[in-house]
Amino acid sequence: DAGVIQSPRHEVTEMGQEVTLRCKPISGHDYLFWYRQTMMRGLELLIYFNNNVPIDDSGMPEDRFSAKMPNASFSTLKIQPSEPRDSAVYFCASSMTRSTDTQYFGPGTRLTVL
Amino acid sequence: KNEVEQSPQNLTAQEGEFITINCSYSVGISALHWLQQHPGGGIVSLFMLSSGKKKHGRLIATINIQEKHSSLHITASHPRDSAVYICAVKPGAQKLVFGQGTRLTINP
Repeated sequence: DAGVIQSPRHEVTEMGQEVTLRCKPISGHDYLFWYRQTMMRGLELLIYFNNNVPIDDSGMPEDRFSAKMPNASFSTLKIQPSEPRDSAVYFCASSMTRSTDTQYFGPGTRLTVL
Repeated sequence: KNEVEQSPQNLTAQEGEFITINCSYSVGISALHWLQQHPGGGIVSLFMLSSGKKKHGRLIATINIQEKHSSLHITASHPRDSAVYICAVKPGAQKLVFGQGTRLTINP
């Protein structure tokens, strides 16, 4: 298996633009997680899905952030409009059946908002 | 006070030394994870513990539920072990809470 796949790996955009980050979880994994990592705050869980359904989105910073999982093999995290403080590395992870199972992380998307 | 505290924040050691990284937490948990983040940024899950001890190669992770404490040990450390090690706990059914990480540098 190729592992968790994220795209793009790097994104540089200007303030106010829409940004869409993509994730393909490991096949057969029922849980998908979106994380954000910054120097100041470390790793933070933004939202997670179970069987394509959002379970906990309490970590989503504000209404500018939205996440969808239209099917078991694809998820998006969208920021609209983007702001410089959104600059961070965004990780997607998946796990097999229970949310306590080992999570497998994607390589991350490094987002820079100018 | 953070729910998850790691110590030390930074650790530099010589190749071959025995390494211990500590994680203390303040809430009841259903699981604890140790993660490794390489200098290039990639994150690897090392262990998921709910009790006792686990070993994988030169890495050993222990957890004491009563004391709300976990340790990650590295035996015969090597420069390739240089990374940030992150402890994360899962309070019941709630989302993972992360420590700030321990930056480990192993010099040859």
